[in-house]
Amino acid sequence: KAGVTQTPRYLIKTRGQQVTLSCSPISGHRSVSWYQQTPGQGLQFLFEYFSETQRNKGNFPGRFSGRQFSNSRSEMNVSTLELGDSALYLCASSPGNRGIEETQYFGPGTRLLVL
Amino acid sequence: GDSVTQMEGPVTLSEEAFLTINCTYTATGYPSLFWYVQYPGEGLQLLLKATKADDKGSNKGFEATYRKETTSFHLEKGSVQVSDSAVYFCALSSSDSWGKLQFGAGTQVVVTP
Repeated sequence: KAGVTQTPRYLIKTRGQQVTLSCSPISGHRSVSWYQQTPGQGLQFLFEYFSETQRNKGNFPGRFSGRQFSNSRSEMNVSTLELGDSALYLCASSPGNRGIEETQYFGPGTRLLVL
Repeated sequence: GDSVTQMEGPVTLSEEAFLTINCTYTATGYPSLFWYVQYPGEGLQLLLKATKADDKGSNKGFEATYRKETTSFHLEKGSVQVSDSAVYFCALSSSDSWGKLQFGAGTQVVVTP
């Protein structure tokens, strides 16, 4: 099976702009979770989608949003970018119906630099 | 809320040395526990997991045992190689939080020839 893919791999934006990141899960997986990774804060959970519905959300401002399509692909959007949004954004997929024992499979990430 | 604490790095070892990375957690109920590894420029890969108390996860020579009495999930490897140089993350998943892994801060391991 193909792994989790994320596009683009690298992005450079300026403050105030908005950005959309894309994630394609492993075939058959219906859950997609998003994480932000920074040197200072580590790995922080953004949100999780299952069957086009957001089931869980982390403690991020409303500038961070996401959605999931009927084919389970997911996008996340960050509006009004700030310098502190520079990070590696990781998505992970899992079947979504096996509870807390499920393994999440991660993509390579999108590295966002905000200037 | 849930939390994971792991030892700070970097941990520097010589090839063939014994590796231990400590991980303790706080969670309600009975979480599942994971170790992930991240190589430079890559995403996270599952190394091993354990889903109930006293389970031992193992993979590629790494082992960790789910200890509920000490709320710990320490990672061990008997003989490390240069290729084991990476950042290791301990994580938990609990019933309070769908689709969310709570990660520790990560421990960088550097293995020298």
